[in-house]
Amino acid sequence: EADIYQTPRYLVIGTGKKITLECSQTMGHDKMYWYQQDPGMELHLIHYSYGVNSTEKGDLSSESTVSRIRTEHFPLTLESARPSHTSQYLCASSSTGGFQPQHFGDGTRLSIL
Amino acid sequence: AQSVSQHNHHVILSEAASLELGCNYSYGGTVNLFWYVQYPGQHLQLLLKYFSGDPLVKGIKGFEAEFIKSKFSFNLRKPSVQWSDTAEYFCAVSTYNQGGKLIFGQGTELSVKP
Repeated sequence: EADIYQTPRYLVIGTGKKITLECSQTMGHDKMYWYQQDPGMELHLIHYSYGVNSTEKGDLSSESTVSRIRTEHFPLTLESARPSHTSQYLCASSSTGGFQPQHFGDGTRLSIL
Repeated sequence: AQSVSQHNHHVILSEAASLELGCNYSYGGTVNLFWYVQYPGQHLQLLLKYFSGDPLVKGIKGFEAEFIKSKFSFNLRKPSVQWSDTAEYFCAVSTYNQGGKLIFGQGTELSVKP
C-alpha cells in the first residue's frame, strides 16, 4: 500500500484552465519528484525537491511549476493547460542518505481537450 | 548524458516459461541500479535494487537481476513466470553526478498467458 497520495487520479479538462495536481507523502521523506510519462514511454523527471523551499527543474523541460512549502506536500501547477500537456504525471519520494529507492504514487492521468 | 535502454518493448510468455528482460545503461562511473514493476492499475513498486557487493541481487516474488559491470547491464530474470507477473517492468539507474535522481528505461510490457 502506497504512503504517497496523488489526486486527482484522472482529470479531463478544457484548454486554458489552471490545474493543480496534488501529491502528499506520510513517510517524512525530504526528497520528492515529479515525472511525466507518455504511454509506452519512459518516465521523464520534470521537477524535484530535496527539502522545504527547495525546487529544481528536471531533465525534461516542462511548463509546469512546483512548490514545497511543507515536507509532506509537493503540488504541481499548470497555469494554462494545453493539449500538449496530456500525459500521466507520477509523484515520488525518497529518504535522504545514499541512494534510497523512490516510492511512487498512483499517478494522475491528465487529458486536456 | 546518461541513458537506459530496455531491449524489449513487449514480451509474451506462457506460464512456467523463463524470463529475462534486458537492461543496459550508459555511464562509466559508479551506479545504483533498480528494477521497478507496475501491475495493471497500480503504482510503481520497487522489485529489487543493486548498490554494491554481490552483483546477483534477489528481489521480491522470485525475481533476480545480475549486474555485469563490463557489459553495463542489469538484466532481470525469473526461472518460471506466473500469470500474476503480467505487468510493466522499468529499469532505472542513479549516478553520483545526477545527485541520486533516477533515469528510467522505456519499460517492457510483460504478458503471461495462463
